[in-house]
Amino acid sequence: GDSVTQMEGPVTLSEEAFLTINCTYTATGYPSLFWYVQYPGEGLQLLLKATKADDKGSNKGFEATYRKETTSFHLEKGSVQVSDSAVYFCALWGTYKYIFGTGTRLKVLA
Amino acid sequence: DAGVIQSPRHEVTEMGQEVTLRCKPISGHDYLFWYRQTMMRGLELLIYFNNNVPIDDSGMPEDRFSAKMPNASFSTLKIQPSEPRDSAVYFCASSFEALAGGPADTQYFGPGTRLTVL
Repeated sequence: GDSVTQMEGPVTLSEEAFLTINCTYTATGYPSLFWYVQYPGEGLQLLLKATKADDKGSNKGFEATYRKETTSFHLEKGSVQVSDSAVYFCALWGTYKYIFGTGTRLKVLA
Repeated sequence: DAGVIQSPRHEVTEMGQEVTLRCKPISGHDYLFWYRQTMMRGLELLIYFNNNVPIDDSGMPEDRFSAKMPNASFSTLKIQPSEPRDSAVYFCASSFEALAGGPADTQYFGPGTRLTVL
């Protein structure tokens, strides 16, 4: 069945460092791909999405490109801030439901 | 809009007790989802509704769990009797209907209810 694998955390970075969180998927067909973010004590919020191969989703300085050839959707940000500290979830949209990865906790130090 | 509202935010109960979690979706949304989040299993879909009708409850762990949606603005998730392994954060989410039918692929999550069963 469909699945999402993302890198284990926690990831600890200094402010202004470059961020990459890896995400790969297996799926039949060509699902839409998503990154959600969960700040402490809150629910998940959509960060960005891409609906077809080679699409790039972007929001708040974060980017991810839908790579069909490598079945990947890695999240990147050029310069992280303390306020980016959160848990990040990669997900694919299957038949009327999400398949979520296990989440990667990011901690950014001032 | 106030977003998806869940209550209570925290619930501590003893094993064997009945627990009821509540959710108010965003007004106008056609779909409502219940998720459970644990360290071991991550985020799991339990059940979802379309226009108050349960569509897929294959994620409901066992008969101790039940969910209802008596109207478009209210849903409950009940656990009876509760067990320590039910301790988790329970999220409610809602979405519009997609143009092609089915739920839209963007969901709006509530803040969650943290349940602790002692």
